[in-house]
Amino acid sequence: EIVLTQSPGTLSLSPGERATLSCRASQSVSSDYLAWYQQKLGQAPRLLIYGVSSRATGIPDRFSGSGSGTDFTLTISRLEPEDFAVYYCQHYGSSPLTFGGGTKVEIK
Amino acid sequence: QVQLVQSGAEVKKPGSSVKVSCTASGGSFRNSAFSWVRQAPGQGIEWMGGIVPVFGTLSYSQKFQGRVMITTDESTSTAYMELSGLRSDDTAVYYCVRGAWVRDILTGYPTPGWFDSWGQGTLVTVSS
Repeated sequence: EIVLTQSPGTLSLSPGERATLSCRASQSVSSDYLAWYQQKLGQAPRLLIYGVSSRATGIPDRFSGSGSGTDFTLTISRLEPEDFAVYYCQHYGSSPLTFGGGTKVEIK
Repeated sequence: QVQLVQSGAEVKKPGSSVKVSCTASGGSFRNSAFSWVRQAPGQGIEWMGGIVPVFGTLSYSQKFQGRVMITTDESTSTAYMELSGLRSDDTAVYYCVRGAWVRDILTGYPTPGWFDSWGQGTLVTVSS
């Protein structure tokens, strides 16, 4: 089973700042099988990124994904008020599919 | 745009079973992958298992093997998840999710990939 460790647990930033979220895998993630989701309180998660760096339909270009092997990053170039939420990474392509523990991006 | 509508909240006794439905509209039901994930209160997300209807391939998390059953009815574009032997720590919101399928790295079989559509969630409470 691939264990995904996200850091930091909480990121305190101001609107307009850059957010850098990390996702580290316990073993190499093959074929770029990594996705990122955003979840707001009381809502279902929403797909942001798949295949490490491909933005999902309707996702603004301030969201970008990068990385390879065991180290992956989600970057939000300039935080908008609606971006304050919890973010999860997920690997797929081998069972079990697993999620990271999440990073909460909160308003400073 | 794909929409997933799940059945309503359930309250169950320990040891019983629950069956949650998920009806899809829009997109290709047959050529999608459907999974069930759950999220306990204030906790992270856990994948339980998934199915790729066009190939009939099923995969389950070992954690739930023997307790969970995922099925689909293509005639009604509905996916089902049945969880048996309920315990108090099964109390969670259960989500039906749909997305693309990819080739399993080890077996080459079709398996769920990323999740681009989510149901509204079904709260299952297990309490005596």
